[in-house]
Parts: sequence; structure tokens; C-alpha cells
Amino acid sequence: NAGVMQNPRHLVRRRGQEARLRCSPMKGHSHVYWYRQLPEEGLKFMVYLQKENIIDESGMPKERFSAEFPKEGPSILRIQQVVRGDSAAYFCASSQAGGQGNEKLFFGSGTQLSVL
Amino acid sequence: GNSVTQMEGPVTLSEEAFLTINCTYTATGYPSLFWYVQYPGEGLQLLLKATKADDKGSNKGFEATYRKETTSFHLEKGSVQVSDSAVYFCALSDPGDTGRRALTFGSGTRLQVQP
Repeated sequence: NAGVMQNPRHLVRRRGQEARLRCSPMKGHSHVYWYRQLPEEGLKFMVYLQKENIIDESGMPKERFSAEFPKEGPSILRIQQVVRGDSAAYFCASSQAGGQGNEKLFFGSGTQLSVL
Repeated sequence: GNSVTQMEGPVTLSEEAFLTINCTYTATGYPSLFWYVQYPGEGLQLLLKATKADDKGSNKGFEATYRKETTSFHLEKGSVQVSDSAVYFCALSDPGDTGRRALTFGSGTRLQVQP
């Protein structure tokens, strides 16, 4: 059973370009979470999605960032017009059910985004 | 709001030394507490957890006790190995914060174990 798959592992973009980060949850998992880790900081929650629905996006910046989790295919985190401050590691996690109090989360290896 | 504070790293120890990584938290409700570990090049893995006061989580020789009176969840291991070298994250989940359903993480502590 493959784990949570994120790609690419490393992504380099110039300022103003778009970045697309993909996350395939574990088989049988319908809940996906995106976190961002800035250098020397902890992981910060961005968004929580179920299939075709955004449940909680309270951690997402209001502009340039969007996320989706379609019925078929991976979850996508999209960053438009990237700026240097977007450089970070982006982690995806999945779970079989929602509510992270006692549910086990499985994390991907992350995508390291570097904005030149 | 909720927050987690961890001791800064890196923590450098010799093999078989005793390990403590401090973690304290602030939460509005009665959170569940977690330790995650991240080995080089990999994603975070759940190491152990505790869901209520005085619970002790344990796994792979690591232990942490949920101390409500001191709002702490310190990670300990009696004898570390080189293979324990990794970054350790303390985290909490507040069941009262149902709208967010998110984990709050500390900034991580890097452990380096030397042979």
C-alpha cells in the first residue's frame, strides 16, 4: 500500500510564475490536508479538503493560493504569481476520516518550492 | 489561540545517552498531544500520542506523558541510537476547534546522535 505521494519533490520557479503541487493520498483515504513549513518554523495548517469539497481553508492566504481535491486524481495546491516569500516546504497529509484528534495522519515527503 | 513551543535544536548526543526534548502547549480546550518524527528525506511519521491528562504515549523506546498541570508533553528516551537522528515535532489537536480540524505544530527539534 503506497504511502502519500507528493510531486514534484523539488520545484523551482521564477517570480510571477505559477506553481502546482500534487498530492495523491493513501489508498482509501478521502481526507487531505496541506501544511506549509517555512525555514526554521513549524508546519502551519493551510487547508483541509474532502473529495470535491473544501472543508476548512482558514490557513490559506487570501490571494494567489487555491486548492482542490477532485473526484478523480490528486489534490492540487496552486500558487499563482509566486513571490520569494512562498519558498517553503509544502506537506500533504491524508487520513481515512476527518477530525485529527484521534485519527492517524499519514504525511508525504513534501515538495520544496524555491522561488528565484 | 493554540500554540506549541519546543526547545530549540540541534540537540547533539552520544549514542546511549538519555534524551529529553521539551514541549509545552497552550490550548483553549482539552487537546490531544502528539510527537511526530521526520527522518531525512521523508515525510512526518506519528511517533506517539496521548489523548487525555496523565496518559503516557510510548513507541520505539520513546515516551511522553501528558501533564495538564504544567501543560507539557516532554519526549524522553533512555538510550538513543544513531538511527534516532531526525527532526522531532510536537503537535496538538484541539477537539474543541472543530471548525479547523487541524494540527498545531511546534517548530521542530533536530536530534543528532553521534557514534
